Order: sequence, then structure tokens, then C-alpha cells
Amino acid sequence: DAGITQSPRHKVTETGTPVTLRCHQTENHRYMYWYRQDPGHGLRLIHYSYGVKDTDKGEVSDGYSVSRSKTEDFLLTLESATSSQTSVYFCAIRGRADYEQYFGPGTRLTVT
Amino acid sequence: GNSVTQMEGPVTLSEEAFLTINCTYTATGYPSLFWYVQYPGEGLQLLLKATKADDKGSNKGFEATYRKETTSFHLEKGSVQVSDSAVYFCALSPPSISGNQFYFGTGTSLTVIP
Repeated sequence: DAGITQSPRHKVTETGTPVTLRCHQTENHRYMYWYRQDPGHGLRLIHYSYGVKDTDKGEVSDGYSVSRSKTEDFLLTLESATSSQTSVYFCAIRGRADYEQYFGPGTRLTVT
Repeated sequence: GNSVTQMEGPVTLSEEAFLTINCTYTATGYPSLFWYVQYPGEGLQLLLKATKADDKGSNKGFEATYRKETTSFHLEKGSVQVSDSAVYFCALSPPSISGNQFYFGTGTSLTVIP
């Protein structure tokens, strides 16, 4: 258990509304990641962070932004949600041994 | 580029059957390789890993060997149980890449019937 929590765990929102998902970790890991999981696609990286205020884009970053003002929190924002962003979102941290990643429990987001 | 290809599912086996889930990869250099398991409604859990050629990762009766010559990391278990029903993901982490981006396969769903 890498001490990762995500909130909310479930959310239903309407098209065009802003949405922020939160990832919180308790073990001072430097690297944090946001993925989305969709059938037939596995997990795809949205954004990642390599330190406070240091972030970079992943494979599917369009329509998403992130912020990291504290080591323990990594926020994912959908500025104007669309139905194509209906997905399960996972946060992860990078471990210290062999660069393995550990995942949070996920947030199921539905955009209607 | 970097990519992972997993065998298509779903896979259905009887309890105590032998399991193989194929995984092949494309990568530059020597990546680290991982298998993750996802139970319904949960996040991914690290199942096993291998960081160099010929390494064998093992955990909970599952094994996978890092084969550089065939660029493969197939997951095996000698005798599956109903509790092994889950989705299994193969993943790689390229060497010396800032940010340590992972590349995942699309997942293989396993159902074990009593």
C-alpha cells in the first residue's frame, strides 16, 4: 500500500462543466501520474509530475490540465467536460526500488 | 517507439488449469517489465517485475521471465484458482527516461470457473 487516495471516487457531471479530481499520497514520492482507463485501450497517460510545480504532458493530454502545489497532492482538471472524457481515472506514484508504479483506487467519472 | 502487445481475451479456464498470458514488447534499450492485476472495482496492483534480461519475476504462484531474444514477458501460473479471476496488464518502463512513463498493454481478462 503506497498510501494513495483519490477523491471523489465517483462523479457524474454535465457536459461543459469543470471538474477537478484529487490524488493524495502520504509517502513523499516525487513522481505522480494521471491515467485514464478505457475498454480496448488499457491505461493511457494524461499528465505526470516530477516535483512541485513541475509537470509534463502524456499521450492524451488534450482537454486536461494538472497542478501540483504540494508534494502530496496532484490535481487533474477538466476545464469543460465532454462525453469523451467519461472514463475511469487512476493516479499513480513511482516507487523507489525499480521504478515500479503504484496505483490509487480510481475515480469513475461520467459526463452526461 | 515503445509498445506492449498482449494476447486478446477474454480467457476462461477451469480451476487448477495452467495459465499462460502472452506479452511481447517493443522498446529501445533494456526496459523494465511488469505485470499488474486488477480486480473488479479496484486499482491496478503490481503482481511481479523483472528489470533485466533472463530475470524471472514471481509472486503468488505467478511467474514471468524477461526474454530479450524474443522480446517477451509471458505470464504463467501452474494451477489457477477462482480468486485469480481478474484483468491482467503487461507494462514496460523504458530505461533512463525522465518521468518514467509506463506503456501498458490493453489487458487480458481471466475468468476461472470452479
